[in-house]
Amino acid sequence: DSGVTQTPKHLITATGQRVTLRCSPRSGDLSVYWYQQSLDQGLQFLIQYYNGEERAKGNILERFSAQQFPDLHSELNLSSLELGDSALYFCASSVSSVTYEQYFGPGTRLTVT
Amino acid sequence: GQQLNQSPQSMFIQEGEDVSMNCTSSSIFNTWLWYKQDPGEGPVLLIALYKAGELTSNGRLTAQFGITRKDSFLNISASIPSDVGIYFCAGFREYGNKLVFGAGTILRVKS
Repeated sequence: DSGVTQTPKHLITATGQRVTLRCSPRSGDLSVYWYQQSLDQGLQFLIQYYNGEERAKGNILERFSAQQFPDLHSELNLSSLELGDSALYFCASSVSSVTYEQYFGPGTRLTVT
Repeated sequence: GQQLNQSPQSMFIQEGEDVSMNCTSSSIFNTWLWYKQDPGEGPVLLIALYKAGELTSNGRLTAQFGITRKDSFLNISASIPSDVGIYFCAGFREYGNKLVFGAGTILRVKS
């Protein structure tokens, strides 16, 4: 158990819909990262937040957005969902914005039908 | 796309054998991380490497930061059935701020 929690574990929704994925980092960690894992693209970095502020951006679509709240939990919002958005979404956390060791949560499996 | 070339893609090994896998890139990396992912779970951090030439162990696992800073190696000694899973290398490029992952090595053990 990494100490990172993610909800829900599974999510099934239809194309065009909007969903919110939630992540709570390990106690004491200030940085949260979101990743997408699909069979054809592997693990891809989406976005990083540090202490409430966006710190780095990866291959995140404009339909996707994230935020980190004062209690340090983070939410990833996915809108106008397409079939290709079906994937595992992982949250990871680290102590600071420059700490390299990232600890991953159990993931949310999103299925878009 | 993938910036790290991880090999082999998959391997079957006999229980008790030693395993080697590696990760290479055309770019220089400052940090290498090795993760293991079990089906339906998130990646678990196994070893972190921070200096060229560094050799670090975690139980039966040993990883090395290549001297050129463009590669890393992971060895598993005396493999057991619970070693089954997908092993990912990951790293931060020099001047980079994003963790990039290899495509993974699928390890299957014949018991």
